[in-house]
Amino acid sequence: SQTIHQWPATLVQPVGSPLSLECTVEGTSNPNLYWYRQAAGRGLQLLFYSIGIGQISSEVPQNLSASRPQDRQFILSSKKLLLSDSGFYLCAWSGVRTGGASGANVLTFGAGSRLTVL
Amino acid sequence: GENVEQHPSTLSVQEGDSAVIKCTYSDSASNYFPWYKQELGKGPQLIIDIRSNVGEKKDQRIAVTLNKTAKHFSLHITETQPEDSAVYFCAAQYFRGSTLGRLYFGRGTQLTVWP
Repeated sequence: SQTIHQWPATLVQPVGSPLSLECTVEGTSNPNLYWYRQAAGRGLQLLFYSIGIGQISSEVPQNLSASRPQDRQFILSSKKLLLSDSGFYLCAWSGVRTGGASGANVLTFGAGSRLTVL
Repeated sequence: GENVEQHPSTLSVQEGDSAVIKCTYSDSASNYFPWYKQELGKGPQLIIDIRSNVGEKKDQRIAVTLNKTAKHFSLHITETQPEDSAVYFCAAQYFRGSTLGRLYFGRGTQLTVWP
């Protein structure tokens, strides 16, 4: 079966410091990978998605960047955090899965990383 | 692009009552409509989904209905229990000749079930 891991679970960082959130998926190959942010208003904002190694699409211009150095690894980064970067960050994947339907964009989310910028 | 509207934003029901959450979408090309449940401090989890060739789908106490003509779909939870309390998101999948069908989410509904 497929599993998704995301870390760290919580992070408190000062303004201007760098950020690195990591996400890995197990049990599948060539997944579509996503980073979402959930602010206090609870809506899910798509930040980045990737259909393959080195292929990153950005949905919203911002202070963040994403990279996909390996097939099942997705990293969210920032060189200098802003107060407005605080939020709950969710990694997700979609694609071929064992024992279930494929073809639709069924998303499986990680447990999330709560970032507080002070 | 697609626009998904979700109502209500908050919903409180008594245990045992039914709860209904409604969503509308704008793009008639959308063909896949999932519902996610997010418990406090966790990532959303898929609870039920429906494709555009089906009008209704049921899984125990939860059901989803789809009206393609009106472009709206609803989540129905019967015999609610306190553990149903969570934020629920609807979404619509939007294809426009891309291999990546992006999901557009509603803003969420905070459901509270009182014992």
